Amino acid sequence: GAVVSQHPSWVICKSGTSVKIECRSLDFQATTMFWYRQFPKQSLMLMATSNEGSKATYEQGVEKDKFLINHASLTLSTLTVTSAHPEDSSFYICSASGSGGSYNEQFFGPGTRLTVL
Amino acid sequence: AQSVTQLGSHVSVSEGALVLLRCNYSSSVPPYLFWYVQYPNQGLQLLLKYTSAATLVKGINGFEAEFKKSETSFHLTKPSAHMSDAAEYFCAVSNSGGYQKVTFGIGTKLQVIP
Repeated sequence: GAVVSQHPSWVICKSGTSVKIECRSLDFQATTMFWYRQFPKQSLMLMATSNEGSKATYEQGVEKDKFLINHASLTLSTLTVTSAHPEDSSFYICSASGSGGSYNEQFFGPGTRLTVL
Repeated sequence: AQSVTQLGSHVSVSEGALVLLRCNYSSSVPPYLFWYVQYPNQGLQLLLKYTSAATLVKGINGFEAEFKKSETSFHLTKPSAHMSDAAEYFCAVSNSGGYQKVTFGIGTKLQVIP
């Protein structure tokens, strides 16, 4: 159990376009979802935390108008990179956690590789 | 505030040798500690976690870690390395069960030499 999926697994886009990444919890209700960014050979940096039905809480230095996060349901969160530029190229990973019991930890998705040309 | 320090960004061991990946933590409250493994172009998989129960924690794939409060350490070990253990390993700390903010270390890349 506790499977988290991401779609797409990789995406290439032109500079200036917007890209949407989906994160789904397949077999549990995720009250909280997290979005991370990972640069090559570096650790995961938390970008934002979102609770279902609420606005996301962004970490310091993360542009909320550039990285739009929506957590409209207990199984789906989306990250939209608006007006993407080459410096936004990165590996984006989401995680999800439930409200208790055995889902009271973060379960990670497989990641989405974004390349902006 | 919480943080983790992983000593050694690269570790090489021979197949069959002991694996030791070091992690020291800093936390203003009793910590929850985690080890994750990441294979290339994949997400993170939880190896094991410490949540204030037993100080010696056993995880998947033969890995274990010992919480030592006096040393603020949570080193990851495996008695005998296997080629499939080659991956990136991240130590992480949280002040909750992990369903809230988790802070990751920089990672240690483990190379297993045949």
